[in-house]
Amino acid sequence: EVQLVESGGGLVQPGGSLRLSCAASGFTFSSSWMSWVRQAPGKGLEWVANINQDGGGKFYVDSVKGRFTISRDNAKNSLYLQMSSLRVEDTAVYYCARAPLFYFDCWGQGSLVTVSS
Amino acid sequence: QSALTQPASVSGSPGQSITISCTGTSSDVGSYTLVSWYQQHPGKVPKLMIYEDRKRPSGVSDRFSGSKSGETASLTISGLQAEDEADYYCCSYAGSSTLVFGGGTKLTVL
Repeated sequence: EVQLVESGGGLVQPGGSLRLSCAASGFTFSSSWMSWVRQAPGKGLEWVANINQDGGGKFYVDSVKGRFTISRDNAKNSLYLQMSSLRVEDTAVYYCARAPLFYFDCWGQGSLVTVSS
Repeated sequence: QSALTQPASVSGSPGQSITISCTGTSSDVGSYTLVSWYQQHPGKVPKLMIYEDRKRPSGVSDRFSGSKSGETASLTISGLQAEDEADYYCCSYAGSSTLVFGGGTKLTVL
C-alpha cells in the first residue's frame, strides 16, 4: 500500500524556519517525482514545489522562491521541505504528494504549519 | 502563475448531472493535456478523480468524466449522489515543471 506520512509541522514565529519531512513507503520512491501542496485554513489548494527523481530538478511557486527548499533522500525514502523567512501567509496544512506526470495520485495526511507571533 | 478560474459553487439534485468548469490560459490549460481534478470532503485529504484531461484512475466511479475545449476544462458528474457533495479542484501543468490550481468549487447535492 502506498503511504506518505508528513511530520515536522508546528508553531513558528514570523521570520523563523521549519523543516517538514515526508516518509514514503509502498512504491519505488526513487522513480517518482514528488511535490508539496499546501492549503491555508478555509482556502483552496496551492502547489508549492516539485522535485524530480534524482533531486537535480527543483521547481517552486513564485511566492516561496528563495525561502523554501525542496529536497529528497532516496536512500531513506524521504522528501523534505526546508522553510525559512516564514510569513503569516505561509500558515497552512502542507501535503506531501506523489506526482507521476504533473498530477497528484497519492497524498499524505498533511502537516499543519502555523506562523504567528 | 495565476490561479485557474472555477465557479465558487454548483448544486444539483440526486440523479442529475452537473458540470464544473475550469478556465485557464494558453500558457496552461490550453497548451497541455495535463489537467487533473481532485475531490476533497471536509477535513479530508484530496483525492485524484481525473488526470491528463480525461483519464480516470482505477477505483474512481465512471460517473465522473473530464473534458476540455480550448482553455476551459470541465468535470462532469452524472447520476449525482449525496456522497458527491464536496469541494472540487482543477489543476493544470503550466510549463517549466510548474503547476497551478483552480480556486475550488463547492458542490452541494440538494
